Amino acid sequence: KAGVTQTPRYLIKTRGQQVTLSCSPISGHRSVSWYQQTPGQGLQFLFEYFSETQRNKGNFPGRFSGRQFSNSRSEMNVSTLELGDSALYLCASSLTLTNEKLFFGSGTQLSVL
Amino acid sequence: GENVEQHPSTLSVQEGDSAVIKCTYSDSASNYFPWYKQELGKGPQLIIDIRSNVGEKKDQRIAVTLNKTAKHFSLHITETQPEDSAVYFCAASIRTGANNLFFGTGTRLTVIP
Repeated sequence: KAGVTQTPRYLIKTRGQQVTLSCSPISGHRSVSWYQQTPGQGLQFLFEYFSETQRNKGNFPGRFSGRQFSNSRSEMNVSTLELGDSALYLCASSLTLTNEKLFFGSGTQLSVL
Repeated sequence: GENVEQHPSTLSVQEGDSAVIKCTYSDSASNYFPWYKQELGKGPQLIIDIRSNVGEKKDQRIAVTLNKTAKHFSLHITETQPEDSAVYFCAASIRTGANNLFFGTGTRLTVIP
């Protein structure tokens, strides 16, 4: 069974641009969560989607948004990029909202110059 | 919100020795405690988890203990091997229909051959 797939693996953008990251969950998993990982702040929860609806949101500005499609694939968008948005963005999937086990992808490394 | 503290930040052990990583949490409502291993260039990998109605869980060389009264939980790795070298994260979650995890700051474990 394939794991969580994230594309692209690396991204370089400049301040003010916007970026879209993609995540394909494990087959059969319907819940997708996004996390930001930085050396300073560690792993922080961004948001979670289930059945194409955002179910839970972390403490991030509105520039961070996402969506989920009917096939459970998810995208995350960051608008008006800032230098501090440079991070590893991780996607995790689980069977349902109430199933605890989260399985992470390898992440997208975003560098903002 | 939940606050998870993790110690130590770095840990070096000789191959074959045991390693112990400790975490504390602040919210007594948290009831799910997973541990993740992250290797360079990869996403976090779930290695073991425990629910609040269980005091200890073992899986081969890995064990986790939970003390709900003191609000702390620990990861124990016995007979360490060089391939155990990685960054380990503890996390806590309140299982109320959402999958957001609150992570500790990580422990970099180095197993010296």
